[in-house]
Amino acid sequence: EIVLTQSPVTLSLPPGDSATLSCRASQDVGIYLAWFQQKPGQPPRLLIYDTSNRATGIPDRFSGSGSGTHFTLTISRLEPEDSAIYYCQQRSHWPPTFGQGTKVEI
Amino acid sequence: QVQLVQSGAEVKKPGASVKVSCKASGYNFLSYGMSWVRQAPGQGLEWMGWINPYDGNTKYGHKFQDRVVLTTDTSTTTAYMELRSLRSDDTAVYFCAKDHAGFGDLYRFDPWGQGTLVTVSS
Repeated sequence: EIVLTQSPVTLSLPPGDSATLSCRASQDVGIYLAWFQQKPGQPPRLLIYDTSNRATGIPDRFSGSGSGTHFTLTISRLEPEDSAIYYCQQRSHWPPTFGQGTKVEI
Repeated sequence: QVQLVQSGAEVKKPGASVKVSCKASGYNFLSYGMSWVRQAPGQGLEWMGWINPYDGNTKYGHKFQDRVVLTTDTSTTTAYMELRSLRSDDTAVYFCAKDHAGFGDLYRFDPWGQGTLVTVSS
């Protein structure tokens, strides 16, 4: 199965800065990479699907890029509410798999 | 709006079974697949399996294929996940997650249920 490796493990930044999160795949996953945000006690929320498409209601401060084996989630103009764990997920190869997460602290 | 509402927390003994429900509303239940994903305390997300409510077709992750059964009740638009032979390391929050698009576009998980905590303890 495809292994997704996220970096860094933790990211601490002040409000207003930009955050860059990385997700590397053990094999080519094409464009089929998604990003989720999870806050404590809540289910994951889809932010980005198929590399760069924002899900419904997601502000344009969140953007995704990449292809193949290296993907990036960028969060611009960080707000305190962006504090969460962010997971990447691939659906190119069965079974779908998730990265281990990056914790973002604002 | 699309909503997935799961059943409440469960406490089970090792060796027992648990059945978690996921009541769907706000969309055509027969037209979208449903996955189950679990999250152990303080850990990441682990996909368990998927079901097509239209024909009952299922796909199970290798780790779970001998112990998990996914079903649906189309009359009540409810999906179920039954996990058997529970062990302490099955303690986790279990989520249902709807395929956002149709059957040609699987495993794009949106939205998710609120989660059900299953605790396995003697």
